[in-house]
Amino acid sequence: KQEVTQIPAALSVPEGENLVLNCSFTDSAIYNLQWFRQDPGKGLTSLLLIQSSQREQTSGRLNASLDKSSGRSTLYIAASQPGDSATYLCAVSQAGGTSYGKLTFGQGTILTVHP
Amino acid sequence: KAGVTQTPRYLIKTRGQQVTLSCSPISGHRSVSWYQQTPGQGLQFLFEYFSETQRNKGNFPGRFSGRQFSNSRSEMNVSTLELGDSALYLCASSPGGARSPLHFGNGTRLTVT
Repeated sequence: KQEVTQIPAALSVPEGENLVLNCSFTDSAIYNLQWFRQDPGKGLTSLLLIQSSQREQTSGRLNASLDKSSGRSTLYIAASQPGDSATYLCAVSQAGGTSYGKLTFGQGTILTVHP
Repeated sequence: KAGVTQTPRYLIKTRGQQVTLSCSPISGHRSVSWYQQTPGQGLQFLFEYFSETQRNKGNFPGRFSGRQFSNSRSEMNVSTLELGDSALYLCASSPGGARSPLHFGNGTRLTVT
């Protein structure tokens, strides 16, 4: 059974810092890994999707890496801003079968960026 | 392009009642998945529909059911509500392939009293 763990559970940093969020998963047989952010009381916003054959993806100040063999992914946020404050979730899509809409989520990292 | 739309945004129901939640996917998306989010259990997969067929189902009791219509809109039904069903219910859509990201709606907040 796939299990996804995110470390740290919470992180508080001053504005401008570069930071790294960690995600690990137990079964390396995945189609892809996706990072999301969730603002309080809202749905999930997709940030980055990394296919199992890829090593990293970048979007603006965000960079996500994937090491499938070791079951790890990191989300790097450069020059953090107060608007980055949210819960960040990683999720994996398990390989095998055709249910691509089934993701296994971590518990999330609550990020607070203070001015 | 309009995003995933979920209605209603908030619901308050009494134990024993039933409830139906609605999800309209992004235009052209044929896959709709449902998730339950609670503080204790986090995000848990309920089921996925693709072209009106249930493709997968999570580990939830039979009180939770769903369906998808020919226009890809989906509904989720919970019968005989229990207090533990209070949660944020999220719907996600995608084109349906392994390489496609999921796009989530803002959810329906269900409170059971």
